Amino acid sequence: GENVEQHPSTLSVQEGDSAVIKCTYSDSASNYFPWYKQELGKGPQLIIDIRSNVGEKKDQRIAVTLNKTAKHFSLHITETQPEDSAVYFCAEDGNKLVFGAGTILRVKS
Amino acid sequence: DTGVSQDPRHKITKRGQNVTFRCDPISEHNRLYWYRQTLGQGPEFLTYFQNEAQLEKSRLLSDRFSAERPKGSFSTLEIQRTEQGDSAMYLCASSLAPGQFFGPGTRLTVL
Repeated sequence: GENVEQHPSTLSVQEGDSAVIKCTYSDSASNYFPWYKQELGKGPQLIIDIRSNVGEKKDQRIAVTLNKTAKHFSLHITETQPEDSAVYFCAEDGNKLVFGAGTILRVKS
Repeated sequence: DTGVSQDPRHKITKRGQNVTFRCDPISEHNRLYWYRQTLGQGPEFLTYFQNEAQLEKSRLLSDRFSAERPKGSFSTLEIQRTEQGDSAMYLCASSLAPGQFFGPGTRLTVL
């Protein structure tokens, strides 16, 4: 069945540094890969996504890269700020979302 | 543009009781999804609707769970004879195209 592995499970960075979260998926038919940010007590918030016909997408300090051959995709956050602290989830979407286990990002000021 | 709303936000019930949750999707979205999230885990798919048709149900959705979307707008998720293992956050999401938008969730605690 579909499976998404996400690493690392926790990540601590100094404010201003970059953070990278990596995911691997199993379903070759998947062609849409969203990333969600979840703050305590709230629902997941879609922050960026990428489709399989694109290798990279950037939105201000956030970028996502996709290697469809290797079935890898990654989230890159540059110039991290304390408000970036949250749990981040990658997912693959083939009608329904299959989520990774999440990464707790802590940005220390 | 109002986002996805869910009601109630919190529900505490005793084991064996029935509970019902409501989800109001973004108005023009034809797809509606239910997920369950336990502490420290990513959301897990339960079921989804396209308009009023329930198109897929997860094996996680035991026969104690039922979901409806009677007019293709809001949806309800009912859990009968709740068990302590049902304690979780129940999330609703809606979409029109790839890209699901989530509500704030309903936190269920079964005592």
